[in-house]
Amino acid sequence: SQQGEEDPQALSIQEGENATMNCSYKTSINNLQWYRQNSGRGLVHLILIRSNEREKHSGRLRVTLDTSKKSSSLLITASRAADTASYFCATAGFIQGAQKLVFGQGTRLTINP
Amino acid sequence: DSGVTQTPKHLITATGQRVTLRCSPRSGDLSVYWYQQSLDQGLQFLIQYYNGEERAKGNILERFSAQQFPDLHSELNLSSLELGDSALYFCASSVEPAGGAGELFFGEGSRLTVL
Repeated sequence: SQQGEEDPQALSIQEGENATMNCSYKTSINNLQWYRQNSGRGLVHLILIRSNEREKHSGRLRVTLDTSKKSSSLLITASRAADTASYFCATAGFIQGAQKLVFGQGTRLTINP
Repeated sequence: DSGVTQTPKHLITATGQRVTLRCSPRSGDLSVYWYQQSLDQGLQFLIQYYNGEERAKGNILERFSAQQFPDLHSELNLSSLELGDSALYFCASSVEPAGGAGELFFGEGSRLTVL
């Protein structure tokens, strides 16, 4: 399966600290995306990194991609209570003749005030 | 607000019944995706349509079917419902025809409870 696997499954840190989440996948990809989901709500796109890119920034977010290790990481700096949510990586690649976006199981992040 | 509208927000029904979930994509988006989110299976890709045509298929059961209409809205039909079909069903839309080539915009989901 191409499905990404996030690590850790759950992360609890203090406000102001940095949060790092990792994603590993199994097959070649065209891009990797990170999404955020507040409890029971729709997913919100955070950042997309293409297979030929190694690092991307957006505000307090930093994403890295290592295609040789088939892994990516999402770093949230200076965390805030409002960052509490589940974070999912999703990989876009060909599976059974069609390009699909497949999500991992997610990391549940809790920011303690 | 993502611009993707899903109805109904909540649905409670009995085993063996049939339901239809509806999705209106973001204005200008031609691709519509359906995902199922349950506690034990995570977020599972079901199917994608682009401009009325099926583009990609995922782990969609034979009891489930979907279509995209000329006005680009989409419907997901779930029949012979089982307890295990209880889940949050998301619709998402994007501009690109290739699945996941760009960002997806998600609706707020339809929560289905099968009793």
